[in-house]
Amino acid sequence: QVQLQESGPGLVKPLETLSLTCTVSGDSITRTGYHWDWIRQTTGKGPEWIGGISWKGDTFYNPSLMSRATISADTSRNQCSLTLRSVTATDTAVYYCARDYDASSRFDPWGPGTLVTVSS
Amino acid sequence: QSALTQPRSVSGSPGQSVTLSCTGTSSDIGAYNYVSWYQQHPGKAPKLIIYDVHRRPSGVPDRFSGSKSAYTASLTISGLQAEDEADYYCCSFAASFWVFGGGTKLTVL
Repeated sequence: QVQLQESGPGLVKPLETLSLTCTVSGDSITRTGYHWDWIRQTTGKGPEWIGGISWKGDTFYNPSLMSRATISADTSRNQCSLTLRSVTATDTAVYYCARDYDASSRFDPWGPGTLVTVSS
Repeated sequence: QSALTQPRSVSGSPGQSVTLSCTGTSSDIGAYNYVSWYQQHPGKAPKLIIYDVHRRPSGVPDRFSGSKSAYTASLTISGLQAEDEADYYCCSFAASFWVFGGGTKLTVL
């Protein structure tokens, strides 16, 4: 069964760049019909969709984060990555990667998540 | 963009049924049949329990059901069990992105 695992620094300084990687096992990120998404959640709040990348390499972003976020894929390593530039304390959150199905509302499964704190 | 609106908390006794609501607009819930629901226990990642308004992934009990009317989606949990106590989030497609609700905390009394 497919498993997703997020990795990256747990602490980022304000105005620097947050970089996270999602390693996918048990499935290929190039399998037709799948998207690989990044979603974050601050304590006590609902999740916020950041964006995703399709099996074809097309990228999609939340308009509120589009100017700072970049999502890419490394097919040789079966990984997708998120970079978020010029972070502030409001970017402190648990960041999840999740598989998404084309033409469906189906984020499943999710990785366990990784906490990123923005602080000097 | 605004998050979908969910009641902050709902409670019910074991064996009862509860319905959680999720209100959106004509740009999200009202426009697409792409509504999903997630269950989240403390310290865990969200888990998909309903997708495409009413479909259940394999392994999710049929006690969980979803529906939609106009701009409001609903999740009904029948035969409440202690393990159903969790936070529940709705999600909808909104033209070019996905929007989530603020979540409902379900307490099993």
